[in-house]
Amino acid sequence: NAGVTQTPKFQVLKTGQSMTLQCAQDMNHEYMSWYRQDPGMGLRLIHYSVGAGITDQGEVPNGYNVSRSTTEDFPLRLLSAAPSQTSVYFCASSDSNIQYFGAGTRLSVL
Amino acid sequence: KQEVTQIPAALSVPEGENLVLNCSFTDSAIYNLQWFRQDPGKGLTSLLLIQSSQREQTSGRLNASLDKSSGRSTLYIAASQPGDSATYLCAGHSGGGADGLTFGKGTHLIIQP
Repeated sequence: NAGVTQTPKFQVLKTGQSMTLQCAQDMNHEYMSWYRQDPGMGLRLIHYSVGAGITDQGEVPNGYNVSRSTTEDFPLRLLSAAPSQTSVYFCASSDSNIQYFGAGTRLSVL
Repeated sequence: KQEVTQIPAALSVPEGENLVLNCSFTDSAIYNLQWFRQDPGKGLTSLLLIQSSQREQTSGRLNASLDKSSGRSTLYIAASQPGDSATYLCAGHSGGGADGLTFGKGTHLIIQP
């Protein structure tokens, strides 16, 4: 039972580099979302999707892009990484009830 | 906009005690509320989900309540154990379950052996 799988687990970037955080779920959930977790700030919603082809912005969307071409995958793209994007990123999926979280990606931007 | 607050931010109690963690929210039109556990350096594990039409949910030694009129939820842990040490997060869903969750900042719980 894989659930929600995030890759990579750790990543170090230089300012200005781009990268994609991968998220895949095998529960056939319609709803997927991305959060970032920062000390003292808690978890904040970046983007979410209610189904393939449909995405929307959360509380802190600036600097991030998402797309949802399949039900299973919901990648998060950093177009030009900034030190302020140093954080732990969590992907979640749900059937509109219980939210299931991945193990997270720890990102450092130097 | 939904705001979620958790009190206390940290709590340390001896093993065996019963304890209550508090969560308050501002939007009474909450769709559901979920309690999570997070161990250091790990992801979130769902503990209990309470739908807006429910007043409480129980799982083993855990009991969560929801009072929409007062904007409060509590997580009751009975007979605490050192393995219960973790950060506990509550989070609310407002948009019919379709949008993301709004999280509190968590309660860091330490159970002393």
